[in-house]
Amino acid sequence: AQKVTQAQTEISVVEKEDVTLDCVYETRDTTYYLFWYKQPPSGELVFLIRRNSFDEQNEISGRYSWNFQKSTSSFNFTITASQVVDSAVYFCALSEPFNSGYALNFGKGTSLLVTP
Amino acid sequence: DTGVSQDPRHKITKRGQNVTFRCDPISEHNRLYWYRQTLGQGPEFLTYFQNEAQLEKSRLLSDRFSAERPKGSFSTLEIQRTEQGDSAMYLCASSSPGSGLAGSYEQYFGPGTRLTVT
Repeated sequence: AQKVTQAQTEISVVEKEDVTLDCVYETRDTTYYLFWYKQPPSGELVFLIRRNSFDEQNEISGRYSWNFQKSTSSFNFTITASQVVDSAVYFCALSEPFNSGYALNFGKGTSLLVTP
Repeated sequence: DTGVSQDPRHKITKRGQNVTFRCDPISEHNRLYWYRQTLGQGPEFLTYFQNEAQLEKSRLLSDRFSAERPKGSFSTLEIQRTEQGDSAMYLCASSSPGSGLAGSYEQYFGPGTRLTVT
């Protein structure tokens, strides 16, 4: 069975600090896809990144970076020089197999609060 | 290109009433998903459509829940005989067929319908 674990329920940082959000997943599939979504206070889930299981290259997008390590089944997300606008709930998700239409299996989320 | 829209945004109903929510996906997205999100949890998958075909519905929470996508465009989610435990945010998402591996397509979410059952 698939499972996504985000062990950090809440994180609070001061603006300009770096912060890493952890994500550990379990799957029996050999091909799978991992995602991060942001849910700001307005409530709408915003897609951030997709990673394929066969591509372990790390990715950087501005202040955001992602570290995918298949050996430890982890897909961690780092925000560098955090800003107040980064305050949101962040979800890691794993795609389900084809017979579920690649529906997303979400973790419980990490609530990030960035204070000035 | 407009995003995924959902209507209504909020619904308050009395226990035992039926409710119906509508989702309009991004145009030309052939896959449409429904999720439920309760407080402090991540979204939970309910069902999905590819075009007008509902290809997975075993995850609907009970037989009181049903969904349709009659012409492969908008979709409706109906809850019959609502219970207080149905109070949650109901999210719709859509994804593009694209040209690569199907599982890799990101899903775009609507703003959700918040249901409160009193």
